[in-house]
Amino acid sequence: AQSVTQLGSHVSVSEGALVLLRCNYSSSVPPYLFWYVQYPNQGLQLLLKYTSAATLVKGINGFEAEFKKSETSFHLTKPSAHMSDAAEYFCAVNAGGTSYGKLTFGQGTILTVHP
Amino acid sequence: EAQVTQNPRYLITVTGKKLTVTCSQNMNHEYMSWYRQDPGLGLRQIYYSMNVEVTDKGDVPEGYKVSRKEKRNFPLILESPSPNQTSLYFCASSRRTSGDTKETQFFGPGTRLLVL
Repeated sequence: AQSVTQLGSHVSVSEGALVLLRCNYSSSVPPYLFWYVQYPNQGLQLLLKYTSAATLVKGINGFEAEFKKSETSFHLTKPSAHMSDAAEYFCAVNAGGTSYGKLTFGQGTILTVHP
Repeated sequence: EAQVTQNPRYLITVTGKKLTVTCSQNMNHEYMSWYRQDPGLGLRQIYYSMNVEVTDKGDVPEGYKVSRKEKRNFPLILESPSPNQTSLYFCASSRRTSGDTKETQFFGPGTRLLVL
């Protein structure tokens, strides 16, 4: 079985501040992990993914995430928030060891960026 | 342009009136899937398909049907919609290649359904 927990349904930061969105996963086998972003009234866009290669994964728009097996975490960070980062972010896990197949999503975290 | 398309994008209907939401991809992907998104619950998988004529249930299949007669299309059918199926629906597709770290799932733009 696989599951994902995103800590904090809402996160608010000031423009230029560090963004930290938390994700913890549960998986009985080595997982593939993903972060997706959803802008208002749009579909999901892949930010980055971990597929058992490097534990620090760099994605688009300056985001990165670090896979920590001992903590079963895959937190998303960005050093300096921009107004355009305001969106909803979803962490997802696929325990099938592939990039396709069933994705189990977290509940989502809405990021608000203040001027 | 590589893409997943869904139609309609918005739909208001009444309880019990059969409807179909279409999904089509132009990337020759084997794998296709339907998700529904509800506030506070994230996305949950409804059905998926590994290839033509191969479909299986996801986590929340009750009240839905699917078919995969052609590789590019994966329609979602609600035979008798109910208000608890009011949701935002996403179709996704990807290639089926084991161990290929370059592959990812592409999502459609979503279909917002309201069942009265």
